[in-house]
Amino acid sequence: DTEVTQTPKHLVMGMTNKKSLKCEQHMGHRAMYWYKQKAKKPPELMFVYSYEKLSINESVPSRFSPECPNSSLLNLHLHALQPEDSALYLCASSSHGTGGDEQYFGPGTRLTVT
Amino acid sequence: KNEVEQSPQNLTAQEGEFITINCSYSVGISALHWLQQHPGGGIVSLFMLSSGKKKHGRLIATINIQEKHSSLHITASHPRDSAVYICAVAGGTSYGKLTFGQGTILTVHP
Repeated sequence: DTEVTQTPKHLVMGMTNKKSLKCEQHMGHRAMYWYKQKAKKPPELMFVYSYEKLSINESVPSRFSPECPNSSLLNLHLHALQPEDSALYLCASSSHGTGGDEQYFGPGTRLTVT
Repeated sequence: KNEVEQSPQNLTAQEGEFITINCSYSVGISALHWLQQHPGGGIVSLFMLSSGKKKHGRLIATINIQEKHSSLHITASHPRDSAVYICAVAGGTSYGKLTFGQGTILTVHP
């Protein structure tokens, strides 16, 4: 199984809502990533978890809160988002989180904030 | 100047043509990735290179570490190859953080 799955595929939420994005992989990878991608732009790294510990936070606003309950699961909790947070949110995983690792990407969650 | 530059930004081809997309980078790297993204879709990893050349089906990727340059070639292009192709480099630091190029939009007409 070389798949990274993400749920939901689409999410529409108001600025006062609380929602969560979920990412799962069963490849035994120990590094997991959250990226944000705006239209016609490359992905921007948000967070990296390595061995279930947060290792990179790219100065992301606190309205985004990541969680890694175990090595297979990665969540992104959303609260009080702004319309400019509307984007495609991509999850990825890799073996160890080192530079030589290949990253496997999920299909993404398309988020619209109204 | 971006650390990773791709050219061309847009590429239009007729079915069957040979296609080349170029990527130049200015930082030290441990690996270079070529990624494919179809409109509205997720990202697929095509190749990861640290030296030499790799081939998968009609796709070939090469890298020249001394010149800090990589190319992605598509032979016998097909309309289903229409997508955005993204070059991304992993630096020498830990955690595999990728620096992305701006992407090349490829359209292959039948």
